Amino acid sequence: GENVEQHPSTLSVQEGDSAVIKCTYSDSASNYFPWYKQELGKGPQLIIDIRSNVGEKKDQRIAVTLNKTAKHFSLHITETQPEDSAVYFCAASMYSGGGADGLTFGKGTHLIIQP
Amino acid sequence: DAGVIQSPRHEVTEMGQEVTLRCKPISGHNSLFWYRQTMMRGLELLIYFNNNVPIDDSGMPEDRFSAKMPNASFSTLKIQPSEPRDSAVYFCASSLGAGGLKTQYFGPGTRLLVL
Repeated sequence: GENVEQHPSTLSVQEGDSAVIKCTYSDSASNYFPWYKQELGKGPQLIIDIRSNVGEKKDQRIAVTLNKTAKHFSLHITETQPEDSAVYFCAASMYSGGGADGLTFGKGTHLIIQP
Repeated sequence: DAGVIQSPRHEVTEMGQEVTLRCKPISGHNSLFWYRQTMMRGLELLIYFNNNVPIDDSGMPEDRFSAKMPNASFSTLKIQPSEPRDSAVYFCASSLGAGGLKTQYFGPGTRLLVL
């Protein structure tokens, strides 16, 4: 089955600086890679996703890049703000055409924005 | 528009008791997922349904766990008998699986403590 590794487990950055979180996956058949943000006491919320037919996707201060050959993808947050502090999870899945498949998650990155 | 609804939000029970967790997916979504989150193992997929049919239950830890989806708007996850190691946060998520749209929307979770 799929295995997703995520690094670092904790990341502390100064407010206004950029943050980068990296993930690798093992199953070359995976074709969908979402990123979730989880705040304390809440469920994970999707912040951005990328499909294997594109290499990069951007949404305001958030961007995700995908390298299918190396089987890794990264989340980039620019101009970090205090409200970006949370746990971030990467995930991988395969869409088979017959319906949605479950997600395999990384272990999470606790992002701390220092004022 | 209501998101995924889970009940109860918190459950405290004694070892050996039966526990039933409930989920109402987003209206119109045809895929439903049950995940478990613990500090040690992170977010794990337990089982998922497409069009009310269980597709993959390989993540269900053992026979004490069972899940049903009697109709498109309701699912249950049952643990019988419960054990202390079942203590975790259980999330339900739903998505519009058909047609390539895979975004999974998570509920707020049920925090289960088995004493």
